[in-house]
Amino acid sequence: SYVLTQAPSVSVAPGQTARISCGGNNIGTKNVHWYQQKPGQAPVLVVFDDSVRPSGIPERFSGSNSGNTATLTITRVEAGDEADYYCQVWNTGSEYVFGTGTEVTVL
Amino acid sequence: QVQLVQSGAEVKKPGASVKISCKASGYTFTTYFLHWVRQAPGQGLQWMGLINPSGGTSVYAQKLQDRFTVTTDTSTSTVYMELSGLRSDDTAVYFCARRTLRGTYYDSWGQGTLVTVSS
Repeated sequence: SYVLTQAPSVSVAPGQTARISCGGNNIGTKNVHWYQQKPGQAPVLVVFDDSVRPSGIPERFSGSNSGNTATLTITRVEAGDEADYYCQVWNTGSEYVFGTGTEVTVL
Repeated sequence: QVQLVQSGAEVKKPGASVKISCKASGYTFTTYFLHWVRQAPGQGLQWMGLINPSGGTSVYAQKLQDRFTVTTDTSTSTVYMELSGLRSDDTAVYFCARRTLRGTYYDSWGQGTLVTVSS
């Protein structure tokens, strides 16, 4: 089955930029989606189809995808961005796959 | 607005079964596929399966397909998931999620249902 690998944690100071990577074999050929999940809450979509922001998501959130790595970038990080972030793709054979998740800590 | 409201927490003994509901509102129920995703304590998200409410076709994750069933009741706009042969590692929060029409991502989630498996 298809595997998506993320770094377990990322720490960033307020106002700086956080980059969260998601590695998978030829992930650049797939549509990658990103979710933010805060403790005790359901995930919230922050980027879909590699780089599209849903309405209501700040422009500070952006995404890219190429080769074997997709990246979610959060600029001008705020305390409220502290959360777990998951990438997700649809793989052939109707398999939906989530990444291992990255905990973002705002220092 | 779109809402997915799930049934309440459950405590089950090993070997038992659990059935959780997810009631949809705010949209045409049969238009969107509904999925189930679970999250063990302190762990990541795991896709479990999906159902097309229009016709009832379902697809399950390979690791669960022997124990996992998803059904739908279009008269009440409700999807059900049932997991049998419960083990301690089935302890998790179970989410239903709506897959968007155009793509392969989830645009709405239920609030989650905690299932605890303990003797």
